[in-house]
Formats: sequence, structure tokens, C-alpha cells
Amino acid sequence: DARVTQTPRHKVTEMGQEVTMRCQPILGHNTVFWYRQTMMQGLELLAYFRNRAPLDDSGMPKDRFSAEMPDATLATLKIQPSEPRDSAVYFCASGLTGGKAGELFFGEGSRLTVL
Amino acid sequence: AQSVTQLDSQVPVFEEAPVELRCNYSSSVSVYLFWYVQYPNQGLQLLLKYLSGSTLVKGINGFEAEFNKSQTSFHLRKPSVHISDTAEYFCAVSDRSNYQLIWGAGTKLIIKP
Repeated sequence: DARVTQTPRHKVTEMGQEVTMRCQPILGHNTVFWYRQTMMQGLELLAYFRNRAPLDDSGMPKDRFSAEMPDATLATLKIQPSEPRDSAVYFCASGLTGGKAGELFFGEGSRLTVL
Repeated sequence: AQSVTQLDSQVPVFEEAPVELRCNYSSSVSVYLFWYVQYPNQGLQLLLKYLSGSTLVKGINGFEAEFNKSQTSFHLRKPSVHISDTAEYFCAVSDRSNYQLIWGAGTKLIIKP
């Protein structure tokens, strides 16, 4: 059963620490999205990759966040240094272009708490 | 640019009653339309989608939605809800050249026993 895998599922850290979240997209998918979900802001797009190339990271605070796809099976989202306002659930989703565009498969999320 | 409005943040409904979750969108180009569902402590999953063709779209778990171009709406309906339908429902659109989704704010469906 193909699924998007995210690690860690839960992370508690202190302000100023580096946090790295990882995502394994579904094999064969060529688009990867990082979203952040909070009660106040809802679902926010942080970064979007197509064929491993970053196409849109306008939603991401550039001074502390970075997103990469070192290979087709791994996407990473890094926060350095972390701040309490970064506390949220971070979702990775993958999909395909063409006829299946918009049909995204989400991971279960990484719940981040920054103290 | 597209935008999506989900008119209700919460919809309470009795079990076995019908429900309609409303979604309106704005766009200057033709769009694809989607409903996603998020169960507690899980990621989102696709419920149904409209790409072209019949304006009535059937999805999983007995849900359906109707695309109304003149009213720019894509409302989600279910004739009889169950306690297991308790979740948050998100409407989303994308244009036909851009693969990014524009999301509504979500509607929490609350089932009363």
C-alpha cells in the first residue's frame, strides 16, 4: 500500500535548536509539497518541488526555513533556529503532474512543539 | 488568481441526517475542483474531484459534489451522515496549467448522536 512517510511524527524542542523533518514521497510521484497547519492560519503552502526542482517557496520564511530534495525518495524541511511560533503540524504531500494534477497524497504529519 | 471560500467553519448535524458543505470559488480561468477530508490526527485524503464532464461527481464514503459553473460553486453533500464522518473537510481549486492547490479554510463536520 503506497503511502507518504514522514518522520518524526512528534518533536518537542527548545527555542534556538535546529529541527529537520523528512518525507519519503510515493515512488514515482514527481511533485512534492510541504504544508504547515495551525489553528490560526489553517493550511499554508511552504514549498513545492516538481521533478526535484524547487518551484515555489514563497510561503516559507527564508531566514530560518530551508527545503531540499537530495534525491527522488527524500524531501527535507529544516528550521534553524526554531522559534515558538513555528509550533505546528507540518505535512508533506506528493502527487503527479498531468492528468492526476491536484490529486495529492498526504503523510500523517510531523507535530512540532517549540518551547 | 484563484480563491476559495468555505462559508461555514462548523456544521453540526444529527446522525443519519443529510448534510451540505458549501464551497464557492473565484477564478478567471477554467479550474479543477477538489474536496479533501482530514480525520482527527491524520493527514488529508482526497474525497472527490471534478476535472471535466459530468457536473455531479461521486466520491468515497457516499459523498458527492455538484459543480455549478454559473454560481462558481462546488458544494459537497451526503444524504445520511454517520458518526465516522466527523472530520474537517477542505475544498480546493487549481487552474489547468498550475499544479498547485488553493485551499479553503475548512469546515468541521460535527455529528450529533
